Amino acid sequence: EAQVTQNPRYLITVTGKKLTVTCSQNMNHEYMSWYRQDPGLGLRQIYYSMNVEVTDKGDVPEGYKVSRKEKRNFPLILESPSPNQTSLYFCASSLSVTDTQYFGPGTRLTVL
Amino acid sequence: KQEVTQIPAALSVPEGENLVLNCSFTDSAIYNLQWFRQDPGKGLTSLLLIQSSQREQTSGRLNASLDKSSGRSTLYIAASQPGDSATYLCAVRTTDSWGKLQFGAGTQVVVTP
Repeated sequence: EAQVTQNPRYLITVTGKKLTVTCSQNMNHEYMSWYRQDPGLGLRQIYYSMNVEVTDKGDVPEGYKVSRKEKRNFPLILESPSPNQTSLYFCASSLSVTDTQYFGPGTRLTVL
Repeated sequence: KQEVTQIPAALSVPEGENLVLNCSFTDSAIYNLQWFRQDPGKGLTSLLLIQSSQREQTSGRLNASLDKSSGRSTLYIAASQPGDSATYLCAVRTTDSWGKLQFGAGTQVVVTP
């Protein structure tokens, strides 16, 4: 089944403890992206990747890192999480940057 | 910077009525516009993608129009059903920033039986 998967789906952690949220797609998509969704602020783009080894900042990249070493995976890294990074995170992918985006199920992160 | 607005923020209609959802954007230099549906606690599902050269796209009961010059898109859902209850979001990709997707805040729709 064609899909975007994210792990973990739920995570509660403490301030400063490094974490990684994985994202994987099985559709051979070139483009991948991370978003966060917060009440009242909507969906905001964190980072995106046009292709392997090519990444760029979205609108809210501070406090996040990404890497794209292989086409199918696009992990989101929080090196020192803070409470203001408590949010619902979505990974998405598309065949090319301008095609229909397919979203993962989301990761709910709570930073205490 | 592109600003995307969706009004109203919430909408309630009786079953069978047609739904009209609005999306406006400030920068008309868009590459495409996409409509999504989001169910509570779930990810987004793509409904329709309209390229900048198109005026509308249709899929079943859904029809989306695009007027670049006025910075507007409208999503029409014919003969609404309770299963259409969800939040609908539009997202815009501008020509000078292909990689970025700007979302509106969404319209929460409730269709009552």
